[in-house]
Amino acid sequence: EAQVTQNPRYLITVTGKKLTVTCSQNMNHEYMSWYRQDPGLGLRQIYYSMNVEVTDKGDVPEGYKVSRKEKRNFPLILESPSPNQTSLYFCASSLGRQWGSEQYFGPGTRLTVT
Amino acid sequence: SQQGEEDPQALSIQEGENATMNCSYKTSINNLQWYRQNSGRGLVHLILIRSNEREKHSGRLRVTLDTSKKSSSLLITASRAADTASYFCATGAPGTASKLTFGTGTRLQVTL
Repeated sequence: EAQVTQNPRYLITVTGKKLTVTCSQNMNHEYMSWYRQDPGLGLRQIYYSMNVEVTDKGDVPEGYKVSRKEKRNFPLILESPSPNQTSLYFCASSLGRQWGSEQYFGPGTRLTVT
Repeated sequence: SQQGEEDPQALSIQEGENATMNCSYKTSINNLQWYRQNSGRGLVHLILIRSNEREKHSGRLRVTLDTSKKSSSLLITASRAADTASYFCATGAPGTASKLTFGTGTRLQVTL
């Protein structure tokens, strides 16, 4: 089954404790992206990757890191989480066509930073 | 910055009625997409319309795009309770078509 998986689905952590949210897709997609969703703000892009070893900042990259060492994986790293990073996070992937292509979303990771 | 803005923010209709949601955006686009999100879950792609297209259909969905007005609309005909969800438009800019910018969404409630 074609899908994007994220782990963990729920995470409660404390300020400053490094964490990683994993994202994996099995569709051989070139493009992958991370979003955060906050009430009233919709989805905002954190980072995206056009292909292996190619990553770029989205609209709200501060406090986050990513890497794309393999095509299928795109982990999101919070080196020193803060309470304002409490949010619902989504990973997505797509074929990355010039004229646009549909994005497939993971189920989401609900992060709480205390 | 937010590219798309949906209108209305919330919409409540009865089953069987049609639901229309609008999306406005600010800069040139390459494509515009609509997604649905059930409460707290991942988004599901509904339809993609390219900037050189004016209308597209998919089942009970009809999307229009007016690039001169920088706006799009999503029409759901004969709505069902299962259509209750949030609907988002997302735009892709020329040269970065894969990078989508999402609006804040319309919450649709369909009651029996």
